[in-house]
Amino acid sequence: DSGVTQTPKHLITATGQRVTLRCSPRSGDLSVYWYQQSLDQGLQFLIQYYNGEERAKGNILERFSAQQFPDLHSELNLSSLELGDSALYFCASSVEGGPSTDTQYFGPGTRLTVL
Amino acid sequence: AQKITQTQPGMFVQEKEAVTLDCTYDTSDQSYGLFWYKQPSSGEMIFLIYQGSYDEQNATEGRYSLNFQKARKSANLVISASQLGDSAMYFCAMREGNTGGFKTIFGAGTRLFVKA
Repeated sequence: DSGVTQTPKHLITATGQRVTLRCSPRSGDLSVYWYQQSLDQGLQFLIQYYNGEERAKGNILERFSAQQFPDLHSELNLSSLELGDSALYFCASSVEGGPSTDTQYFGPGTRLTVL
Repeated sequence: AQKITQTQPGMFVQEKEAVTLDCTYDTSDQSYGLFWYKQPSSGEMIFLIYQGSYDEQNATEGRYSLNFQKARKSANLVISASQLGDSAMYFCAMREGNTGGFKTIFGAGTRLFVKA
């Protein structure tokens, strides 16, 4: 158990809908990362927050947004869902979110299925 | 250009034998970190081992060791005394950047099958 929690574990929804994925980082970690893992794209970095502020952005679609709250939990919002958004979404956390020494610990993931 | 290359899509190893999973990387940064993660069929991503670019000694964590060859830009994972529970997908990752921004890039992974 990495100490990172994600809810829900599974989510099934229809095209065009909007969903929210939630993540709580390990105790003491200030940085949260979101990743998307699909069969054809591998593990793709979406976005990173550090202590409530956006720190880095990766291949995140405009239909997707995220935020980190004062209690450091984070939410990833996915809207106007398409079939291709079906994937495993991971949240990871780390202490500092900066240096190359900073190890990321992953949550169990949320499996999103868009029908 | 590929920043992290894992050339072995799949590997087989006999139980109790050692196996090496290859990883090469590309960066112009002097300071970077290299990581290996394990993803079993249950789906979670488990951190295994870390090597810093300035570390002179190869990292070791139990049965895992990282064979770091900086000049060749390779960071191979060695698993000694393989166990059936080692069957999983293994990802190599690199974290690079500076105060202007850091990013972590993952390779495509190697699926390891441990045979009884």
